[in-house]
Amino acid sequence: GENVEQHPSTLSVQEGDSAVIKCTYSDSASNYFPWYKQELGKRPQLIIDIRSNVGEKKDQRIAVTLNKTAKHFSLHITETQPEDSAVYFCAASTNYGGATNKLIFGTGTLLAVQP
Amino acid sequence: DTGVSQNPRHKITKRGQNVTFRCDPISEHNRLYWYRQTLGQGPEFLTYFQNEAQLEKSRLLSDRFSAERPKGSFSTLEIQRTEQGDSAMYLCASSLVPGQFSGNTIYFGEGSWLTVV
Repeated sequence: GENVEQHPSTLSVQEGDSAVIKCTYSDSASNYFPWYKQELGKRPQLIIDIRSNVGEKKDQRIAVTLNKTAKHFSLHITETQPEDSAVYFCAASTNYGGATNKLIFGTGTLLAVQP
Repeated sequence: DTGVSQNPRHKITKRGQNVTFRCDPISEHNRLYWYRQTLGQGPEFLTYFQNEAQLEKSRLLSDRFSAERPKGSFSTLEIQRTEQGDSAMYLCASSLVPGQFSGNTIYFGEGSWLTVV
């Protein structure tokens, strides 16, 4: 079955620095890759997603890149702020005809932004 | 609040008891998912529905777990004869299948925390 690996498990950066989180997936049929942010005791919230027909997507300080050949995708956060501190999860799924099937999640990255 | 709603938010139960969680998806969302999350781990897929049809169940889901979505709206997840290993947060999520490829986001609820003592 599908497997998603995520690294690093913890990441500490200084405010204003960039943070990069990397994931790899095993199922070549996967074509939808969302990233979720989860604060302690809260629900996972989608922050950005990318589909396999594009290689990069950006939304203000957040960007995601996808390398289908290598089955890698990465989250980039620039100009980090203390409120970016949270656990970030990558996920992979198949999405045909607009129907997102089950998401397979990575193990998460605890990002700590030091003021 | 028109988000995914889950009840109860917290449940403490004795080992061997049955528990039931309820999920109310976002209105008009026809897909509903159940996930389980333990501390330090990502959400783990359990099962999902499209309308009232249960389309897939994880092979990790033991026969003590059962989920229903009888009218294609709210869903319940029941755990029978709870074990300490069932302690986790049970997340419900929903999405809309629009009928054409436009992409659809999966929205999560706040989760139901289960502690089995």
